[in-house]
Amino acid sequence: AQSVTQLDSQVPVFEEAPVELRCNYSSSVSVYLFWYVQYPNQGLQLLLKYLSGSTLVKGINGFEAEFNKSQTSFHLRKPSVHISDTAEYFCAVSKNQAGTALIFGKGTTLSVSS
Amino acid sequence: GAVVSQHPSRVICKSGTSVKIECRSLDFQATTMFWYRQFPKQSLMLMATSNEGSKATYEQGVEKDKFLINHASLTLSTLTVTSAHPEDSSFYICSAKSASGGPGADTQYFGPGTRLTVL
Repeated sequence: AQSVTQLDSQVPVFEEAPVELRCNYSSSVSVYLFWYVQYPNQGLQLLLKYLSGSTLVKGINGFEAEFNKSQTSFHLRKPSVHISDTAEYFCAVSKNQAGTALIFGKGTTLSVSS
Repeated sequence: GAVVSQHPSRVICKSGTSVKIECRSLDFQATTMFWYRQFPKQSLMLMATSNEGSKATYEQGVEKDKFLINHASLTLSTLTVTSAHPEDSSFYICSAKSASGGPGADTQYFGPGTRLTVL
């Protein structure tokens, strides 16, 4: 079975500071990993995904994530956050193969203040 | 591209009534659609997977007779909450996966969600 653990439920940071949102997964098969962002009262928007190839994945809005197979992690990073990055962030793993139903972590609330 | 819409965005209904939520892929054909449920400040929980033209596959613990899913075409799936009760109040989100081989084939695209409130 696959599972996703987001280690921090809330991450408060100041504007222009760097941020890392942690995600660990467990799976007995090859994985496909995703990060989604959810703004208040909105649906999910894909930030980035890892399917294969380079372990450093760049996404939208200046976010990037690194797939680390040995540590079973897929942490999300941004070197300098903005107030507008305040949102809920979800890490997810594909259930069996790319594109099938996702297993989500519990989410991390990123709060950016000035 | 790859836009998924949901209708309605919000619905309030009385206990005992049925509510239908539509999920449409606007610019691609979705061979598979997924329905999720999200409780406040919690993650999304997969309810069911529907493939066009076949019966939906429900996750363990989801009542198929209560949450009726129909995927009649490659661009439309519907979720009907039958005999709704206050505990069914939640945020329902659909996602769609495009046909294999095309752009974005390995990605699910999510709708904006429908907030259901049952009084």
